[in-house]
Amino acid sequence: KNEVEQSPQNLTAQEGEFITINCSYSVGISALHWLQQHPGGGIVSLFMLSSGKKKHGRLIATINIQEKHSSLHITASHPRDSAVYICAAEAGGTSYGKLTFGQGTILTVHP
Amino acid sequence: NAGVTQTPKFRVLKTGQSMTLLCAQDMNHEYMYWYRQDPGMGLRLIHYSVGEGTTAKGEVPDGYNVSRLKKQNFLLGLESAAPSQTSVYFCASSYSKTAYWFTFGSGTRLTVV
Repeated sequence: KNEVEQSPQNLTAQEGEFITINCSYSVGISALHWLQQHPGGGIVSLFMLSSGKKKHGRLIATINIQEKHSSLHITASHPRDSAVYICAAEAGGTSYGKLTFGQGTILTVHP
Repeated sequence: NAGVTQTPKFRVLKTGQSMTLLCAQDMNHEYMYWYRQDPGMGLRLIHYSVGEGTTAKGEVPDGYNVSRLKKQNFLLGLESAAPSQTSVYFCASSYSKTAYWFTFGSGTRLTVV
C-alpha cells in the first residue's frame, strides 16, 4: 500500500464544473504539498499547508491532520486547468525535505 | 527570472556514455534535490544536498553521482548510462528543510538507447 494515495486517478470535467481531488496519507507529516504538472512540462508548487485551508484564485486546498486527508478543489474549472495534480507528504523530523509523492491525478477539462 | 534552471532540456545517449545534468538556482536555497519521474512510479528521490559541499543518497541513487561545489549549483552525473535510466529528471530546491515551498525546474528528458 502506498503511503500517499490520491483519488481519482483520472478525472474528466466540463468547463465550469467544481472539481475535487483527494489525497490520503499514512505517515506523520510536517506539511502537505500540492503540485501541478502540465503535459510535457515542469512542476509547479500550488500549495504547501500544515493545517486548515488555503486559497489562491480558483484553487482551494484543505487538510485534516486528524484524518490524514487533504483535498484540492478547483472552482469554475477551465480547460487550462487540464494537468496532472500531485500531492506530496513531507515527513517531519528529518534532516532534509523528505517528500513522499502520490501517483497523481490526471485532470482533463473539456470546453 | 528567479527560479531553478535545468540544462539540458532533452538528451539522447547511447548505452555506456556519460553525461552531466546541471541544476542552477538563484534563490539562495540551502536544500537541493534530484528526482526522476517514470510512468506509474511517480517521483523518486535520487540524491539530495543540505548545503554547499554536502550530498546524500535518496531512494534510487545507484548509477548516479552528484556534486554541490557551489551553493547555487547541483550536478547530477551518469557515468555509464543504461536504458533503465531513461526518464524525466527534475531538480528542486527549498530554503528550509521542513514546511517550506519546493521550487522545481522544468525537467530534463533523457533517453538512453
